[in-house]
Amino acid sequence: DQQVKQNSPSLSVQEGRISILNCDYTNSMFDYFLWYKKYPAEGPTFLISISSIKDKNEDGRFTVFLNKSAKHLSLHIVPSQPGDSAVYFCAEQNSGGSNYKLTFGKGTLLTVNP
Amino acid sequence: GAGVSQSPRYKVAKRGQDVALRCDPISGHVSLFWYQQALGQGPEFLTYFQNEAQLDKSGLPSDRFFAERPEGSVSTLKIQRTQQEDSAVYLCASSLGASVYNEQFFGPGTRLTVL
Repeated sequence: DQQVKQNSPSLSVQEGRISILNCDYTNSMFDYFLWYKKYPAEGPTFLISISSIKDKNEDGRFTVFLNKSAKHLSLHIVPSQPGDSAVYFCAEQNSGGSNYKLTFGKGTLLTVNP
Repeated sequence: GAGVSQSPRYKVAKRGQDVALRCDPISGHVSLFWYQQALGQGPEFLTYFQNEAQLDKSGLPSDRFFAERPEGSVSTLKIQRTQQEDSAVYLCASSLGASVYNEQFFGPGTRLTVL
């Protein structure tokens, strides 16, 4: 049973528009949430994170929103650029227990068209 | 180099062969993780080391999988008697510590194909 769900395998947006990537989780023990970006033939690279004590974290063009009651988080990219085309993974950690391992979703392939 | 490196980048094995995958973490990083990423899936946790101690191997799928980090630096993931279901990308990650505030840096992975 997947604990982290990214229900959209792919998303296509026009350059300059907003990209919204979604993630749902089931384990209420998760209290730290991350987004990783992955290009082909490379390992995932950290993008942005959010602690459960917050509902929003912003870093330049990237903003992550957390809705704890709905167990839902989203990543907004504004404006989207062709270089943002990659697979985006949502990941969660439990800071109180086995806080060292990441639990990933299946990923969403984002394509930003020029 | 500054990042995590893995070798080989690609490995083709015949079913039943043993393979060894190497990970060179970032210098000074205490924590080292192995993940397995099957096609179309996200990475899944295999095992975790803090220095040379293997503190968690709960994700290893069978006793054919074995990992070591004898000197607290380089790590090797060994798979004995490989099966087709072992085909995946094996990712290694390292971090300075083991808390949620220590970013895990990933290597490029080793793509294992078992024929």
